[in-house]
Amino acid sequence: QSALTQPASVSGSPGQSITFSCTAASSDVGGYNYVSWYQQHPGKAPKLIIYDVNSRPSGVSNRFSGSKSGNTASLTISGLQAEDEAEYFCSSHTSASTLVLFGGGTILSVL
Amino acid sequence: EVQLVQSGAEVKKPGESLRISCKGSGYSFTTYWINWVRQMPGKGLEWMGRIDPVDSYTDYSPSFRGHVTISTDTSITTAYLQWGSLKASDTAMYYCTRQEKVGLTGTRWWFDPWGQGTLVTVSS
Repeated sequence: QSALTQPASVSGSPGQSITFSCTAASSDVGGYNYVSWYQQHPGKAPKLIIYDVNSRPSGVSNRFSGSKSGNTASLTISGLQAEDEAEYFCSSHTSASTLVLFGGGTILSVL
Repeated sequence: EVQLVQSGAEVKKPGESLRISCKGSGYSFTTYWINWVRQMPGKGLEWMGRIDPVDSYTDYSPSFRGHVTISTDTSITTAYLQWGSLKASDTAMYYCTRQEKVGLTGTRWWFDPWGQGTLVTVSS
């Protein structure tokens, strides 16, 4: 069981906006602004889409945005497109000895 | 172009040893940590550990410490993940990924890019 909890799946229609949640079990994660999000298409390696809660790497669409409130981080995708269908993982630094936590992942279906 | 290129898929028997590799190119190899991440079939991502290529300092997740060894050869800008005795439960995809160092002791807590993955299958 991951210390970062994500819903197993979400779905949306093309053009909609959708938000994923990522909730930390411990408060130390909430104290860091080190949440990142990764997109993984089937059979492919993960790709960084958000870092430090709300920063986007060069080349990532501005339809992706991130935020955090307390121990819960969120990823929002606006203007859903078919190509957004993938699994999304959140990650955070933790002061625990494991140093890095990943969420269990959320599968996005674009209907 | 920054790239991490991993070695090919492996099929091994329980108890055998294995070393997989991850070659970095297009950047200063010693300026970034190399991390290893496991993804078991149909499951999520698990951070295994990381290495600083400058001095081979390593951090391991408690879940993997003692079962795997992470190393580097800076002369060929390559990192390795090694098992001394594989188990069937080691069957998974393994990814290497880069993590930027900041100053003397700081770290960026995000990973980019990722290697293409190495599938390890352990079966009798």
